[in-house]
Amino acid sequence: KQEVTQIPAALSVPEGENLVLNCSFTDSAIYNLQWFRQDPGKGLTSLLLIQSSQREQTSGRLNASLDKSSGRSTLYIAASQPGDSATYLCAARWSGTASKLTFGTGTRLQVTL
Amino acid sequence: DTGVSQNPRHKITKRGQNVTFRCDPISEHNRLYWYRQTLGQGPEFLTYFQNEAQLEKSRLLSDRFSAERPKGSFSTLEIQRTEQGDSAMYLCASSPLSKTEKLFFGSGTQLSVL
Repeated sequence: KQEVTQIPAALSVPEGENLVLNCSFTDSAIYNLQWFRQDPGKGLTSLLLIQSSQREQTSGRLNASLDKSSGRSTLYIAASQPGDSATYLCAARWSGTASKLTFGTGTRLQVTL
Repeated sequence: DTGVSQNPRHKITKRGQNVTFRCDPISEHNRLYWYRQTLGQGPEFLTYFQNEAQLEKSRLLSDRFSAERPKGSFSTLEIQRTEQGDSAMYLCASSPLSKTEKLFFGSGTQLSVL
């Protein structure tokens, strides 16, 4: 069964700290993996998408990596700010299920002053 | 381009009533998706359209659920005879017909069934 897991479920860090969010997936035949941000009661905002042929993608203070062999992706946030507080979700698309994203349950991040 | 638009933002209904949600995707996007999200969980796939054709439906989509995209533009999701277990956030997303298929989500419709 193709599953996505995110641990921890919640994380609290002081402002300015660099942090890493983890995502693991069960099937290495991944097509792509996408990271999203979700604020309470709101929809999802796409942050980064990594294709299976790529190792990482960067956007501003965010860097996402993909290691298919180990079934892991990480989202690195540099110099965290209180405005980064949100739930971060990763979602995988596998080859043969091109229409469907499978999501993890998310990591709720709080950046404190 | 104002992004993916969903209406209404919130819907409160009594058990047994029918409800309909609307999604307007980004105008040039051929693909449209519906997902459902309950509290503390990630979104779960419900169904997917390419233009007006509904190409995939999840087993989560019971007979009480129906989705349409009649002209390949906006889509509606109808739930008949609502149950308390239908209470969730219903999310719509769209993507262009491209290799990456990056999804863009709307703000969702929060359904509460009393």
